[in-house]
Amino acid sequence: DIQMTQSPSSLSASVGDRVTITCRASQTISTYLNWYHQTPGKAPKLLIYDASRLQSGVPSRFSGSGSGTEFTLTISSLQPEDFATYYCQQSFTTPYTFGQGTKLEIK
Amino acid sequence: QVQLVESGGGVVQPGRSLRLSCAASGFTLRSYEMHWVRQAPGKGLEWVAVTSHDARNENYADSVKGRFVISRDNSKNMVYLQVNSLKEDDSAVYYCTREGDWSFTHWGQGTPVTVSS
Repeated sequence: DIQMTQSPSSLSASVGDRVTITCRASQTISTYLNWYHQTPGKAPKLLIYDASRLQSGVPSRFSGSGSGTEFTLTISSLQPEDFATYYCQQSFTTPYTFGQGTKLEIK
Repeated sequence: QVQLVESGGGVVQPGRSLRLSCAASGFTLRSYEMHWVRQAPGKGLEWVAVTSHDARNENYADSVKGRFVISRDNSKNMVYLQVNSLKEDDSAVYYCTREGDWSFTHWGQGTPVTVSS
């Protein structure tokens, strides 16, 4: 199985900050990498697919990059609604594995 | 608009079974692969199973292989997950998701399963 490792596991930041989350795959996955965020008690929501494509309706402050084994999610200017847990997920091959999550908290 | 509504969860004893259902609306179900993803309390997301658009192919996580069965009825706009021989580790919220562009574009609200004696 492909292992997905996110860093950091948690992050404290302020409204307006720029933040970056990293996701590493245990083997190459081309750009079959997606990013989701989840707030407590809610279902995850797709933000970025195919490593860098913004899902319809997602604000442009979210961006993704990378290919192969190393990927990043960047939020250019944090808004209050962005404080959530973020997951990366590979769709290169089944089982479709997720990273362990990055909890973004208000400083 | 696309809607996925799960049902069928509950509290069940170890070794017992449940059938989870996912009612799909707002799109043509037969055009999409459908997945189940679960999340144990306080934990991350775990992919569980996938059914191909035409129900001819399925795939499962090793943790559920041989115990869970994913199925679908495109004529009824329904996706199912039969969960058998339940263990306490299977306790989780189970989400039905639609695949698009190799990602999970739409999610239901989830149905909770608690396995406890």
